[in-house]
Amino acid sequence: SQQGEEDPQALSIQEGENATMNCSYKTSINNLQWYRQNSGRGLVHLILIRSNEREKHSGRLRVTLDTSKKSSSLLITASRAADTASYFCATDPAGSGYALNFGKGTSLLVTP
Amino acid sequence: NAGVTQTPKFQVLKTGQSMTLQCAQDMNHNSMYWYRQDPGMGLRLIYYSASEGTTDKGEVPNGYNVSRLNKREFSLRLESAAPSQTSVYFCASMDLVAQYFGPGTRLLVL
Repeated sequence: SQQGEEDPQALSIQEGENATMNCSYKTSINNLQWYRQNSGRGLVHLILIRSNEREKHSGRLRVTLDTSKKSSSLLITASRAADTASYFCATDPAGSGYALNFGKGTSLLVTP
Repeated sequence: NAGVTQTPKFQVLKTGQSMTLQCAQDMNHNSMYWYRQDPGMGLRLIYYSASEGTTDKGEVPNGYNVSRLNKREFSLRLESAAPSQTSVYFCASMDLVAQYFGPGTRLLVL
């Protein structure tokens, strides 16, 4: 089932601004991942944060995880037009085996 | 490395026709997945295969069958296509951490 829910559904910002999107989930997880999907393409893995981690950085990406609130946030700093895409969180529920549960995504538009 | 490849890229079917979507990966991954993506619905898991010789149902398996032909290939079959199966279909494989997606197949059922 779709466990992750991203918020907002859509976000429009200008180049240079920061973009923040959030993900909430329902059950215990092993880890949470963020993926990007450019229009008409497959998803691309961005970053993974494990359930025992609180924050993780990768380049201009910063991910936080609050397991007590069952939520995560993805921050993209100094956004570029090339960051325009849909962003999905995916959870690896504890005991689920091999399946990831994807949310419905946040559509990010970065205008020059 | 080609990663995950899918064929065909586009397909139009009439209601009741059958077809097989092909997927192959060259990353030596054990796990492979089939998803469908519909507007406003995100990705929904149809079937997955944790290893060669095993397959399991996902969230929306009705109307589909799969075959894990070997470690590289995982096919999805629509035996009798219905308009509700109009969607974009993605295949993925997984290493210990992340999933790697193919470019997708856009299917229109009339």
